[in-house]
Amino acid sequence: QKEVEQNSGPLSVPEGAIASLNCTYSDRVSQSFFWYRQYSGKSPELIMSIYSNGDKEDGRFTAQLNKASQYVSLLIRDSQPSDSATYLCAVTFSTSGTYKYIFGTGTRLKVLA
Amino acid sequence: EPEVTQTPSHQVTQMGQEVILHCVPISNHLYFYWYRQILGQKVEFLVSFYNNEISEKSEIFDDQFSVERPDGSNFTLKIRSTKLEDSAMYFCASRIGGQETQYFGPGTRLLVL
Repeated sequence: QKEVEQNSGPLSVPEGAIASLNCTYSDRVSQSFFWYRQYSGKSPELIMSIYSNGDKEDGRFTAQLNKASQYVSLLIRDSQPSDSATYLCAVTFSTSGTYKYIFGTGTRLKVLA
Repeated sequence: EPEVTQTPSHQVTQMGQEVILHCVPISNHLYFYWYRQILGQKVEFLVSFYNNEISEKSEIFDDQFSVERPDGSNFTLKIRSTKLEDSAMYFCASRIGGQETQYFGPGTRLLVL
């Protein structure tokens, strides 16, 4: 059974701080990793994708991937109250040429003004 | 910017009734997906569809479920005889060939009474 694990939170950080969100996955052959943001009652919205070991930065967001440790993280710098949402880690698993997402349960982030 | 659309946004039905959820994927995308999210739980893969056939389905996607691409734009999910536990948010997603990033529609909230 392929699993993606996240701490459900809530993770509370003060405005302006760095929020660090973590995700581990079980399948060593996983190739692609995604972070989505989901506001309550809304659909997942892509924040970042990462495919190779190391860091990838996009604005205030940095994704970090360590395939040896089966670990992917998301850092949010200068956190804003509008960043308060649930952050979903998704890992793709390929079978028969298709790529389905396996999602973690999500980490609820609260940015305190 | 192109986006995935879904109709209706909300659907209330009686147990045992059939429902059809509609999705219009992004026009040049080739791979289509349905996911569901029970309130407070994680997003779960249901089915993937490519080249007019199902490429993969989960154990949730039993004989009560079917998908169809009746024309060049629509992608539907049918639940033949709804059960109370089918109450959830249903998300359609699509992706272009050669990339693994999936783009999600806004979802249909299904309530089975």
